[in-house]
Amino acid sequence: QVQLVQSGAEVKKPGASVKVSCKASGYTFTGYYIHWVRQAPGQGLEWMGWISPDSGGTNYAQKFQGRLTMTRDTSISTAYMELSRLTSHDTAVYYCARDDLAFWGQGTLVTVSS
Amino acid sequence: DIQMTQSPSSLSASVGDRVTITCRASQSISSYLNWYQQKPGKAPKLLIYAASSLQSGVPSRFSGSGSGTDFTLTISSLQPEDFATFYCQQSYNTWTFGQGTTVEIK
Repeated sequence: QVQLVQSGAEVKKPGASVKVSCKASGYTFTGYYIHWVRQAPGQGLEWMGWISPDSGGTNYAQKFQGRLTMTRDTSISTAYMELSRLTSHDTAVYYCARDDLAFWGQGTLVTVSS
Repeated sequence: DIQMTQSPSSLSASVGDRVTITCRASQSISSYLNWYQQKPGKAPKLLIYAASSLQSGVPSRFSGSGSGTDFTLTISSLQPEDFATFYCQQSYNTWTFGQGTTVEIK
């Protein structure tokens, strides 16, 4: 069965970077883009960008340009989302999702606090 | 960027009620409109894709309609497990979500 399993919760200090992983199983990893979406506490869903696991190509939301990097390792069917220069406003649950909309990771809570 | 506006932001309803949530896009998105249900602490769950197609395993009391800029999610008879937050999402050009509609018990 299709699964996206994300890495565990992180606590970071302001100014630091965080890297969240999303391991895919149950399908051909290179067959679907992976999107990243975040949700601040009590807030709605915010799209961050996507990565093509096949080509490595990316498309980031303008808001995150310059501090967001998405990568992938096809040998282990894993996508990564790295966000730098963290502030308290980046405290959120981060989700990966397959491009066909139906499959999402369980979410990774990133807390930014001094 | 395409903006998505949902209404209402919250509503109170009783079990058995018919519930309607609307979503408006800032430009035409054809039928690239999807609906999700989210419960606290959980990832969003896809209910409806392509405006009116029911995702596999989703009860038939959920239905979607619309095209262009105006869309509707209808729950024909609200069940206890349906109390949650619902989001619309456009997938015409990257992704954008509506702000959400919380359905609460009356």
